[in-house]
Amino acid sequence: DSGVTQTPKHLITATGQRVTLRCSPRSGDLSVYWYQQSLDQGLQFLIHYYNGEERAKGNILERFSAQQFPDLHSELNLSSLELGDSALYFCASSVTQGGEGSTNEKLFFGSGTQLSVL
Amino acid sequence: ILNVEQSPQSLHVQEGDSTNFTCSFPSSNFYALHWYRWETAKSPEALFVMTLNGDEKKKGRISATLNTKEGYSYLYIKGSQPEDSATYLCASPNYGQNFVFGPGTRLSVLP
Repeated sequence: DSGVTQTPKHLITATGQRVTLRCSPRSGDLSVYWYQQSLDQGLQFLIHYYNGEERAKGNILERFSAQQFPDLHSELNLSSLELGDSALYFCASSVTQGGEGSTNEKLFFGSGTQLSVL
Repeated sequence: ILNVEQSPQSLHVQEGDSTNFTCSFPSSNFYALHWYRWETAKSPEALFVMTLNGDEKKKGRISATLNTKEGYSYLYIKGSQPEDSATYLCASPNYGQNFVFGPGTRLSVLP
């Protein structure tokens, strides 16, 4: 058990809908990273939050947004869903904010949310 | 944009065989290199975090080396067991702000 909690584990929805994925980091971890894994694709970085602030943004669609709350849990909101958004979404946490000198802190991954858009 | 490559894409070995695979990354602006093991139906778990050129890490039958000057890392598995079957991912921080993962090497160990 990594200590990172993701809910729900599975989500089935229809095109055009909006969903929210939730991630609770390990106790004490201030960084939350979101990744998307589509079929035959590697882990694609979406966004990184540290202590409530956005630190880095990857190839995240405008239809997607995220935030990190004061209690450090994070939510990834996916709207106007398309078939191609079907994927496994992971969050990962680490204690540091990233950046030179702190990238030796490993990531702890949640079990993922499998999103199916029909 | 940081590009992390891994080879081979997949590998099938017999139980007891030793094997190795490669992770390639840009040698400029190097921060760190991570290795993760991702078993089916589970989430990725960290194996090693390597930061110094020439670094060697070992965990049981699995070891890794790092060459930051030429931009590669090798992961070795000695005497492969069926429980080693997994996808092995390497990742490198992009300007230290986020982790770019390679596509992974899928290892199957046949009993």
